[in-house]
Amino acid sequence: AQSVSQHNHHVILSEAASLELGCNYSYGGTVNLFWYVQYPGQHLQLLLKYFSGDPLVKGIKGFEAEFIKSKFSFNLRKPSVQWSDTAEYFCAVNARDYKLSFGAGTTVTVRA
Amino acid sequence: DTGVSQNPRHKITKRGQNVTFRCDPISEHNRLYWYRQTLGQGPEFLTYFQNEAQLEKSRLLSDRFSAERPKGSFSTLEIQRTEQGDSAMYLCASSLDAGFEGNTIYFGEGSWLTVV
Repeated sequence: AQSVSQHNHHVILSEAASLELGCNYSYGGTVNLFWYVQYPGQHLQLLLKYFSGDPLVKGIKGFEAEFIKSKFSFNLRKPSVQWSDTAEYFCAVNARDYKLSFGAGTTVTVRA
Repeated sequence: DTGVSQNPRHKITKRGQNVTFRCDPISEHNRLYWYRQTLGQGPEFLTYFQNEAQLEKSRLLSDRFSAERPKGSFSTLEIQRTEQGDSAMYLCASSLDAGFEGNTIYFGEGSWLTVV
């Protein structure tokens, strides 16, 4: 079974700062990779996904993520955060069994 | 709203009581999932349906838990003889079987359970 590790539990930064959240997974086969975001009081929403092709994927709200197969990583980035990016971010993986395995999540707090 | 719908959104129950949650997936999605999420953790997989067939159950799903999807549309998750450790957010999700690369899973808003 696959597992997902998110490096940071809580990240605090100021508006306009750059954000990078680390995600590593353990699975030797082909995987699909996802980042979900959960804003306060809201449900999980898909931020971006990687299935195949260009390892640099762009998602909503200016987020992007890079898949590095050799490092089993799928790190999320945003060049300049806004206060509205305050949320919990989850990295998730599914292998050919279709169910998602999630990391523990990273809480991002953006100070105005 | 054409997203995944769950109800009730919140449920407070006494220990030992039974509770049932309902999930209506996105129309035409043939796959339906149940997850559980506790504070500070990511969602954990509970069970999964392909149409009306329950294809996988997690070891987290004890005998007190039962899920059904009788006509391949909505699903119910019942917890019998609730315990305080059952307090969590129960998430439903759905996806369309579009092959491995098309299988994006969409989540509902969740049903909060508090067992007192």
